[in-house]
Amino acid sequence: DQQVKQNSPSLSVQEGRISILNCDYTNSMFDYFLWYKKYPAEGPTFLISISSIKDKNEDGRFTVFLNKSAKHLSLHIVPSQPGDSAVYFCAASEGSGGGADGLTFGKGTHLIIQP
Amino acid sequence: SAVISQKPSRDICQRGTSLTIQCQVDSQVTMMFWYRQQPGQSLTLIATANQGSEATYESGFVIDKFPISRPNLTFSTLTVSNLSPEDSSIYLCSVDGGVAFFGQGTRLTVV
Repeated sequence: DQQVKQNSPSLSVQEGRISILNCDYTNSMFDYFLWYKKYPAEGPTFLISISSIKDKNEDGRFTVFLNKSAKHLSLHIVPSQPGDSAVYFCAASEGSGGGADGLTFGKGTHLIIQP
Repeated sequence: SAVISQKPSRDICQRGTSLTIQCQVDSQVTMMFWYRQQPGQSLTLIATANQGSEATYESGFVIDKFPISRPNLTFSTLTVSNLSPEDSSIYLCSVDGGVAFFGQGTRLTVV
């Protein structure tokens, strides 16, 4: 049973527009959520996170929104740039912050930014 | 953030053989973690490696198949034994630094 779901395997967005990547979870005990970005032949790199006590966290062009009642989070990238083309993983943890021993990952969404 | 180096970056191995993956961190860390990403799937934690003690394996992973060494606070190896095509995956080393940091991964193809 997948506890973290990214239902869109891929997403194509025009350069300059907003990219919205979605993530749903089923475990109500998750209290910390992260987004990772992965380029081919590289490991995932941490992008942005949010605690369950917040509903929004912003870092430059990246904003994560959390809707606890819907068990849904989304990552917004504005404006989208060609370098944003990558696979984005949603991850969640229960009581361990963003620590590597407690993360449950989604399958990823491949974001393609079209020129 | 930690700098994590993994070797090899990729390999093609014959069925029944083994592959040992090395992970080097640029600072001392208490725990190191090994993940697997099968094709089209999410990252899954294999085990946690503490220096000086036996690794702790997640459900579905066993020491005979995935032996791990942790000889010091900056280094660990993961061996994938008795390879079968189902072991074809990306294997990732990870450490904690507030959030999880990952090495570049090792892409294993078993033929």
